[in-house]
Amino acid sequence: DGGITQSPKYLFRKEGQNVTLSCEQNLNHDAMYWYRQDPGQGLRLIYYSQIVNDFQKGDIAEGYSVSREKKESFPLTVTSAQKNPTAFYLCASRTRTDANTGELFFGEGSRLTVL
Amino acid sequence: GENVEQHPSTLSVQEGDSAVIKCTYSDSASNYFPWYKQELGKRPQLIIDIRSNVGEKKDQRIAVTLNKTAKHFSLHITETQPEDSAVYFCAASSPGYSTLTFGKGTMLLVSP
Repeated sequence: DGGITQSPKYLFRKEGQNVTLSCEQNLNHDAMYWYRQDPGQGLRLIYYSQIVNDFQKGDIAEGYSVSREKKESFPLTVTSAQKNPTAFYLCASRTRTDANTGELFFGEGSRLTVL
Repeated sequence: GENVEQHPSTLSVQEGDSAVIKCTYSDSASNYFPWYKQELGKRPQLIIDIRSNVGEKKDQRIAVTLNKTAKHFSLHITETQPEDSAVYFCAASSPGYSTLTFGKGTMLLVSP
């Protein structure tokens, strides 16, 4: 069954701690994305990657880091430098990287709460 | 960079009525405009998209129109049903960029 799997679904963290959100896809997609969703704010791009071992900052990259060591995996680390980390995080992937069109496939999201 | 404005932020209609959600974009080079639907507690999913070489596209009860001159595009849902209740996001993308810029979303509530 193909798709994008995010884990954990819910995560609680104390202030000052780093946390890593997992995103795995078996769709053989080249491009992967991380979005942050806050009420009334839409989907804001954190980081994206078009190929293994390469990634670019999105609009709100400060306080976040990523890696892309494998095509299937694109983990996101929320560091203690992120001032407002409590949010819903969505991972997505897309098949083409040489064009700006094509459907984004989303995971089910990870809800992070900082206590 | 691209900026996408979406209105209204909330929309309540009676079952059977039509619903219209409007978006404007800033980058005249943008040429791809998808719409995503996110039901409560679920992931966003593409429902329809349009490219700048056409002015309108329909898929059953859903249609999207594009006015390149005015730089705006709209989602039209006819004969709304309670299962249409969701948050709808518009987005825009320009050639040479592999990312989408999303609007802030419209929460559509269809009452029986």
